[in-house]
Amino acid sequence: EPEVTQTPSHQVTQMGQEVILRCVPISNHLYFYWYRQILGQKVEFLVSFYNNEISEKSEIFDDQFSVERPDGSNFTLKIRSTKLEDSAMYFCASTSDRSSYNEQFFGPGTRLTVL
Amino acid sequence: DQQVKQNSPSLSVQEGRISILNCDYTNSMFDYFLWYKKYPAEGPTFLISISSIKDKNEDGRFTVFLNKSAKHLSLHIVPSQPGDSAVYFCAASDVAQGAQKLVFGQGTRLTINP
Repeated sequence: EPEVTQTPSHQVTQMGQEVILRCVPISNHLYFYWYRQILGQKVEFLVSFYNNEISEKSEIFDDQFSVERPDGSNFTLKIRSTKLEDSAMYFCASTSDRSSYNEQFFGPGTRLTVL
Repeated sequence: DQQVKQNSPSLSVQEGRISILNCDYTNSMFDYFLWYKKYPAEGPTFLISISSIKDKNEDGRFTVFLNKSAKHLSLHIVPSQPGDSAVYFCAASDVAQGAQKLVFGQGTRLTINP
């Protein structure tokens, strides 16, 4: 069964460093998402991406964050200068069609720890 | 932002009995509702969904009920099995308006006791 994959599973970084979280969405999906879950809190939407453009983003997704689809398979989330409060699980998701009632499929997540 | 609420942080059910997980929402524009299951160190796994034109959707042991007037949905699992022990998230979306994000509740930790 096709699945969303994410690397690394755990990333430890120093405050102020840049990190790139990587995702490989399901191959025939066209819509890609990043969510995060701070420990003990809700899963929160960060950004959605379609046709090489951001289509929606939340207030959390400020100019420290960026997303990219550098090739036909990878989808990345970059945090330019990490802060302590960026420590969270980051989930990538994808879906085939956002205009109809289709579920989003989630990857296993990357645990980001900012020291 | 409390648009989707799961008021029970935890629920304990005997194996073989029915598990009922509840979810309330405040945004009347939501028209698509989903339940996800999450094990530790894994991503959310889709379980079942319902659109606002229906009031019930069933898939095997899982049934979701939607009460639009009360802005309430519930997930019924029957019979409950030990493998059902996980955190269950309710999520909602406004598909008709083209919104793409899922808005999640806080989750309910379900424990099935043998």
